Amino acid sequence: EEQLVESGGGLIQPGGSLRLSCAASGFSVRRNFMSWVRQPPGKGLEWVSTMYDNGGTYYAESVRGRFTISRDEAKNTVFLQLSSLRADDTALYFCAREPRVWSFFDVWGQGTPLSVSS
Amino acid sequence: QSVLTQPPSVSAAAGQKVTISCSGSSSNVGHNYVSWYQQFPGAAPKLLIYDNDKRPSGIPDRFSGSKSGTSATLGITGLQTGDEADYYCASWDKSLIVVFGGGTKLTV
Repeated sequence: EEQLVESGGGLIQPGGSLRLSCAASGFSVRRNFMSWVRQPPGKGLEWVSTMYDNGGTYYAESVRGRFTISRDEAKNTVFLQLSSLRADDTALYFCAREPRVWSFFDVWGQGTPLSVSS
Repeated sequence: QSVLTQPPSVSAAAGQKVTISCSGSSSNVGHNYVSWYQQFPGAAPKLLIYDNDKRPSGIPDRFSGSKSGTSATLGITGLQTGDEADYYCASWDKSLIVVFGGGTKLTV
């Protein structure tokens, strides 16, 4: 079964840093396009970042320069390093897979919550 | 404000049909495929439609998708109370970002 499990969320102060993890099973993160999508409380879905199979990375303007997506092929895990966190980064962060370039999200994790507050 | 425009809410009686629209531009919906997602409260989104009109295995044929120009539509027939959820459209944009609609709450 293809599955994604996120972890690493929590409560952090503005300006702080945190790393989210997304462990994949049943498929290789190296051969797929892996993304992070977030959902602020009571609001809609917002794309955050995607890593291509060739290692290329893309970011939403709201997080560019502050967030970094990466992967560990040996651990079959994708990461999202978050820094200079702001209150409006508060959201449930989902990891999702795209089976091919510029396509769709066919496998989703259950999400990990992040709250940025003093 | 979301790049793709969806109605905030739609409603219809059980057994009836409903459509949800998704309006974009030539940079996203008019240029790439559209996908649709269903999300229940407290749960992760679930893929309903991909490549404008294709259904993943396990999605009943009551759900359908179409696209024309810079607009896409999700159709649901034979509405059931279990279809009450939020629905989102999405598409890649030429600027290499993914854009989502603001979501539509379906009431049956």
